[in-house]
Amino acid sequence: DAGITQSPRHKVTETGTPVTLRCHQTENHRYMYWYRQDPGHGLRLIHYSYGVKDTDKGEVSDGYSVSRSKTEDFLLTLESATSSQTSVYFCAISESGGTSYEQYFGPGTRLTVT
Amino acid sequence: DQQVKQNSPSLSVQEGRISILNCDYTNSMFDYFLWYKKYPAEGPTFLISISSIKDKNEDGRFTVFLNKSAKHLSLHIVPSQPGDSAVYFCAASVRYSSASKIIFGSGTRLSIRP
Repeated sequence: DAGITQSPRHKVTETGTPVTLRCHQTENHRYMYWYRQDPGHGLRLIHYSYGVKDTDKGEVSDGYSVSRSKTEDFLLTLESATSSQTSVYFCAISESGGTSYEQYFGPGTRLTVT
Repeated sequence: DQQVKQNSPSLSVQEGRISILNCDYTNSMFDYFLWYKKYPAEGPTFLISISSIKDKNEDGRFTVFLNKSAKHLSLHIVPSQPGDSAVYFCAASVRYSSASKIIFGSGTRLSIRP
C-alpha cells in the first residue's frame, strides 16, 4: 500500500469556522491531489499540486485553498466551512502527472459541517 | 455533465460466476481508463487500467474491455469471490493543466452472494 495518511479521519465543525485537513505521504511523489466524494458524483478534483509551492485549481475549488511547503505534506483549508462542504475528502498521490500513471488514494476524511 | 457514467448502481452475482461491470463515456479524447475498487471507510484502490489504443487488458481474474466506437468499457471478474464485494468506480485519466486528473463515474456496488 502507498504510504498515505490523512488527518483527521473524522471531523464535525460548525458553519463559518475554518478547517484544515492534512495529507501526508512517505512515497516522495511529486503530484498530490485533493478530491471530494459525494453521493451520485463519484470523486471530483478540488486542487492539486505538482511540486513544493506549486498548486492549481481543480473543478470544484470554490471555498477551498491549499498549501504545500514540503514534498510530503499537502494541506486543504476550508476558509469558512459551509454545509455544502459536508463530504468525504480523499487525498491522492502520483509519481507523474501523465495520464498513464495511477493515482493512489489515502483513507479519506469524513467532514460534517453543522 | 457526467463524462463517465455507470448506469447500474448495484449488481449481485453468485460466488464463482462472472461479474460484469459496465461503463460508458462521452469524451472521445480520454486516453486512459481505469477501474478502482473501494471498501467502506477506505480510499479507492487502483485495480486495472487500459490505454485507449488497446481493446483488452488482463490481470489475473480481472479483464477490462474497451470498445471505442461505442464509447463503452467493461470489467470482467472471473471467478467472482466474496472479497470482491465492494464499490467499483470506472474512471478516465485526462490531462488537466499542469497534471492529470481522474474523472470518476458514480460507482457500482457489487455484492457476491454465496
